[in-house]
Amino acid sequence: DTGVSQNPRHKITKRGQNVTFRCDPISEHNRLYWYRQTLGQGPEFLTYFQNEAQLEKSRLLSDRFSAERPKGSFSTLEIQRTEQGDSAMYLCASSLALSNQPQHFGDGTRLSIL
Amino acid sequence: AQTVTQSQPEMSVQEAETVTLSCTYDTSESDYYLFWYKQPPSRQMILVIRQEAYKQQNATENRFSVNFQKAAKSFSLKISDSQLGDAAMYFCAYNEGTPLVFGKGTRLSVIA
Repeated sequence: DTGVSQNPRHKITKRGQNVTFRCDPISEHNRLYWYRQTLGQGPEFLTYFQNEAQLEKSRLLSDRFSAERPKGSFSTLEIQRTEQGDSAMYLCASSLALSNQPQHFGDGTRLSIL
Repeated sequence: AQTVTQSQPEMSVQEAETVTLSCTYDTSESDYYLFWYKQPPSRQMILVIRQEAYKQQNATENRFSVNFQKAAKSFSLKISDSQLGDAAMYFCAYNEGTPLVFGKGTRLSVIA
């Protein structure tokens, strides 16, 4: 069990640029989640996949955000035309597709918008 | 929508003492799950303990235990024999579908 891996750990970019983050879940986990955490707050749900299907998206996921999990393994989260308000920690988690299974989190990607 | 409230932004405890972190939640569901996660500074969030709502018995994991009051919608975490490594943000979370709903967290400091 190598855990959930996220890359990069930190991303600094100028406002208006596009950024992409990657998440590699625990290998046997078929569910993958994305959360956003701002300073002093708990994580907020963005979207989740079961295998390659994106099953739910939060209203927080604006049109500038897109997530994919093309082969049901790793996932990418892209933010287009970044804004100051996008500065946050982006957390990925994975779990088995059973209701009582806990989600295991990665270290997160910290995004800073200049 | 379900909400989770942690009313203590910060708590402190002396090493080897016991501390209780509070959590309340709001839901109309009868079957759900509750979790406590620990997030040390600049480190990943890890699961501390979980409770299934249909189980009356309170969950226990070594020095960590919960007091689950379903009627009151309360889910507090007790840490016994506190250690320096327990210092972290603690998040209470609710789940009845798939996305977790988190509280704002309680920052726990452990005093040597």
